[in-house]
Amino acid sequence: KAGVTQTPRYLIKTRGQQVTLSCSPISGHRSVSWYQQTPGQGLQFLFEYFSETQRNKGNFPGRFSGRQFSNSRSEMNVSTLELGDSALYLCASSSRESDRVNTEAFFGQGTRLTVV
Amino acid sequence: AQSVSQHNHHVILSEAASLELGCNYSYGGTVNLFWYVQYPGQHLQLLLKYFSGDPLVKGIKGFEAEFIKSKFSFNLRKPSVQWSDTAEYFCAPLTPGGTSYGKLTFGQGTILTVHP
Repeated sequence: KAGVTQTPRYLIKTRGQQVTLSCSPISGHRSVSWYQQTPGQGLQFLFEYFSETQRNKGNFPGRFSGRQFSNSRSEMNVSTLELGDSALYLCASSSRESDRVNTEAFFGQGTRLTVV
Repeated sequence: AQSVSQHNHHVILSEAASLELGCNYSYGGTVNLFWYVQYPGQHLQLLLKYFSGDPLVKGIKGFEAEFIKSKFSFNLRKPSVQWSDTAEYFCAPLTPGGTSYGKLTFGQGTILTVHP
């Protein structure tokens, strides 16, 4: 069973540009979450998508957005990049079984974004 | 909002020493707790999880954790560490979503260095 796949693995962008990151969840998983990992702030939740709808959102500015497609693949977009957006962006997928939360989140390798 | 505190930022041990990493979380209703591990250059992997039932849970590679509700703690333990346990460890309570998986709140992480 293939794991969570994130592309690209590495990106270098210039301040002011925008970037789109992609995440393919494990087959059958309908929930996709995004996290930002930095040395200073650690792992922080960005947002979660389930059935093509954003269900939860973290405390990030509106420059950070995402979407989910009907096949559960998700993209994350960051507009007007700032130096502080340099980070490892992690995607996690999970299944949602019935009314009980009894599953784990599986993480991808991440996309390393460097803003110069 | 859920919050989590890991007691140690960096722990250095010799092989065969015992390990205990502390984790305290804020009460947030239904408690689902996880420990994740990030080996150098690898993605986040699940070490163990607690949903309900026996408060002593066992995970991979000989790790275990004890959920103590009265202390809001979920400490990670291993009787005898190995050099290969060198990694960063994250405690993460889950805030379930109503109709989706939910949001993981990660602690700041504990870097474990094991000397051979």
